[in-house]
Amino acid sequence: ILNVEQSPQSLHVQEGDSTNFTCSFPSSNFYALHWYRWETAKSPEALFVMTLNGDEKKKGRISATLNTKEGYSYLYIKGSQPEDSATYLCAFSGHGGATNKLIFGTGTLLAVQP
Amino acid sequence: DSGVTQTPKHLITATGQRVTLRCSPRSGDLSVYWYQQSLDQGLQFLIHYYNGEERAKGNILERFSAQQFPDLHSELNLSSLELGDSALYFCASSARGAMTDTQYFGPGTRLTVL
Repeated sequence: ILNVEQSPQSLHVQEGDSTNFTCSFPSSNFYALHWYRWETAKSPEALFVMTLNGDEKKKGRISATLNTKEGYSYLYIKGSQPEDSATYLCAFSGHGGATNKLIFGTGTLLAVQP
Repeated sequence: DSGVTQTPKHLITATGQRVTLRCSPRSGDLSVYWYQQSLDQGLQFLIHYYNGEERAKGNILERFSAQQFPDLHSELNLSSLELGDSALYFCASSARGAMTDTQYFGPGTRLTVL
């Protein structure tokens, strides 16, 4: 059974703090790792798709790194703002199927206090 | 706005009934995916269609079925509904269905079975 784990489950930070969270996934048969941001009452919004070991992606104040050999990815938010409050999901896709089946973690809920 | 539309937004029905959820993918996308988000569970992959053909099935119950039509919209049919089927059902679309494709999520349909 493929398992994708995210930690911490939730995080409360003050506005201006920088923060990071982790996604752990199977290191064998890796193909891609996806990050999504999911605000309450909205639908998940794609942030990054990462495929190469050592890859680093950036979008504004949010960045992500990928280590496929040890099976983890970090998401960093620099200078958190209240509008960053959301659940951040990672999803793994691996070899062995002819389809982009994403296996999602349960997410990290980030609350940024003004 | 991801460009993926889902109807209806909310659905309340009784046990034993049958419902149909509808999804229109982003313009140009050939793949449609269905996911279920139950209480305390992460997003669970149900089924993937590419250009009208079923590509993969996840943990989809036999009471559930789906199809993708020639105009590429998709419908998810849920029958003999049980209380445990109450969940948020998301549709996502992607350009082709490759593992590196970003999946764009619709706003979801919240199903409540009473």
